[in-house]
Amino acid sequence: EDQVTQSPEALRLQEGESSSLNCSYTVSGLRGLFWYRQDPGKGPEFLFTLYSAGEEKEKERLKATLTKKESFLHITAPKPEDSATYLCAVQITSGGSYIPTFGRGTSLIVHP
Amino acid sequence: GAVVSQHPSRVICKSGTSVKIECRSLDFQATTMFWYRQFPKQSLMLMATSNEGSKATYEQGVEKDKFLINHASLTLSTLTVTSAHPEDSSFYICSARTLTGAGLRYGYTFGSGTRLTVV
Repeated sequence: EDQVTQSPEALRLQEGESSSLNCSYTVSGLRGLFWYRQDPGKGPEFLFTLYSAGEEKEKERLKATLTKKESFLHITAPKPEDSATYLCAVQITSGGSYIPTFGRGTSLIVHP
Repeated sequence: GAVVSQHPSRVICKSGTSVKIECRSLDFQATTMFWYRQFPKQSLMLMATSNEGSKATYEQGVEKDKFLINHASLTLSTLTVTSAHPEDSSFYICSARTLTGAGLRYGYTFGSGTRLTVV
């Protein structure tokens, strides 16, 4: 059973067209939700960590929010350089240790 | 911030040979490192978790004799793909767990990945 589900799988936007990416999770006892950006052929780059429902964080055109069941990554007036795959991960406990579990990601393409 | 250096970025090897991938934490000590495999347009698949000075914990379905993980120091973890075959061709990424903020919460910093092609 998937614990982290991201939607949509792919998203095409025109430059300046704001939108949101969704990450829903079914784990109990969330120990942190992470957003990463991954460019082709590169490792994921950290964007945000959220811990509590109601928490919000912003960085340039990106804003991440968290509820008890899901997180949204809002992209305001995106630019072509925002094109990338955005990964969501939840930190769960497994065998007494914390393990990050990733969703499949949303591939974002922003057209000029 | 924390930086994880992963080498090589690309490697091509012949079927049946072994390949070693290194991940170094440059400005911090990484007690725990994770190794992932990623197929095209797929998410990160956790292969194993390694803790410095102890044996790695492998995920179900991952052959520990094929994917040897060594974490002998707090700044270096290695993944060796033994007797590589074309089906082992993939993108391998390491990640180090870090402590962030005054609350000592966990964060995860990734290496830049290694593209392995077995011919």
